[in-house]
Amino acid sequence: DAKTTQPPSMDCAEGRAANLPCNHSTISGNEYVYWYRQIHSQGPQYIIHGLKNNETNEMASLIITEDRKSSTLILPHATLRDTAVYYCIVKYYGQNFVFGPGTRLSVLP
Amino acid sequence: GAVVSQHPSRVICKSGTSVKIECRSLDFQATTMFWYRQFPKQSLMLMATSNEGSKATYEQGVEKDKFLINHASLTLSTLTVTSAHPEDSSFYICSARAGQLNSYLTDTQYFGPGTRLTVL
Repeated sequence: DAKTTQPPSMDCAEGRAANLPCNHSTISGNEYVYWYRQIHSQGPQYIIHGLKNNETNEMASLIITEDRKSSTLILPHATLRDTAVYYCIVKYYGQNFVFGPGTRLSVLP
Repeated sequence: GAVVSQHPSRVICKSGTSVKIECRSLDFQATTMFWYRQFPKQSLMLMATSNEGSKATYEQGVEKDKFLINHASLTLSTLTVTSAHPEDSSFYICSARAGQLNSYLTDTQYFGPGTRLTVL
């Protein structure tokens, strides 16, 4: 059974913020939320991860709801190079990553 | 930091031949490396997990005698597709996990750029 649910596709205008949602309503207290993205014909790229608190790095921000049942990945100023498939993965520390279908984000000029 | 390379990036071979793919962690030591396969328009599927100096652990349905994995050092793992057939044509991706499982950061996996295998 999939641990996460993501919309299959989204569009975003170049320069605007891209907000990618992920539902993980059955998440356990010690499961982390990871985000990766895969640009066409490349390996996945690590973006960010978190447990309970919101996280920010040079690529993106991760907002996790207080009940931890959902999260949002925010790309503050999307560019054409951000067009990719974005994967939200929930897992215990040490557990293998399981990739679902992800969200195909298209950044439009 | 945390760069993983793969070689070759693309290979075309005849049916029945063997193909070796190398995966290297360039700036960190990887105690565990992973091999994935991705068919067109599908997501990544884990094939096997390898720990340095020990035998690989294969996922259900993956033939260990066909997909030979060697993890001889902390920076190098190899996947050999033996007697390749057209149905083995796929995008093969490796990843590496750094260090011991005792740190918030070291559970993250870093992926290589992938190898496109085409078997004629």
